[in-house]
Amino acid sequence: DAEITQSPRHKITETGRQVTLACHQTWNHNNMFWYRQDLGHGLRLIHYSYGVHDTNKGEVSDGYSVSRSNTEDLPLTLESAASSQTSVYFCASKDGGIGELFFGEGSRLTVL
Amino acid sequence: KNEVEQSPQNLTAQEGEFITINCSYSVGISALHWLQQHPGGGIVSLFMLSSGKKKHGRLIATINIQEKHSSLHITASHPRDSAVYICAVVSYNTDKLIFGTGTRLQVFP
Repeated sequence: DAEITQSPRHKITETGRQVTLACHQTWNHNNMFWYRQDLGHGLRLIHYSYGVHDTNKGEVSDGYSVSRSNTEDLPLTLESAASSQTSVYFCASKDGGIGELFFGEGSRLTVL
Repeated sequence: KNEVEQSPQNLTAQEGEFITINCSYSVGISALHWLQQHPGGGIVSLFMLSSGKKKHGRLIATINIQEKHSSLHITASHPRDSAVYICAVVSYNTDKLIFGTGTRLQVFP
């Protein structure tokens, strides 16, 4: 069965360290998104991609980067983790337009 | 003003009650999703609508494209329905999701 998976599910790191959260989907979707979810803010878009080698900034992209070298993966990198980046991160993929939407299970990141 | 408005923000119900959550939006859309998130859990798309009505078990979702409004109904609510329900529209122009603020539902036995 096709799926979307995130790893790690839980991560504790220190301020200043580089962290990469993986997102892998087997739906063959072109569109992939990274969100963070915080109390009082709901889901906020960090970065998104419409296809291989395409990446775009979302509303809260500072301190984050993504790359899209293939259809299946959109890793999210925190170049120098900050305590303000403590959050739950969700990856999502969808087909264009009226296509189905799937979320990963979420990655809980704590920056100490 | 948010592009996607949900009401109510919080909702409590007794088991067995009929529940309605509303969503209004102000942008052109290609689809609307109703999402469910249990406490500490992942996010699941319950319905994707581009017109009309869909039913899955005790859940019914409707959309009126002309009025830019959608509703999610839960018949015979159960404590396991307790979750946050989020309305998300797919922007016709950008294909990005725009989220409502969510409705926190608690169903008591």
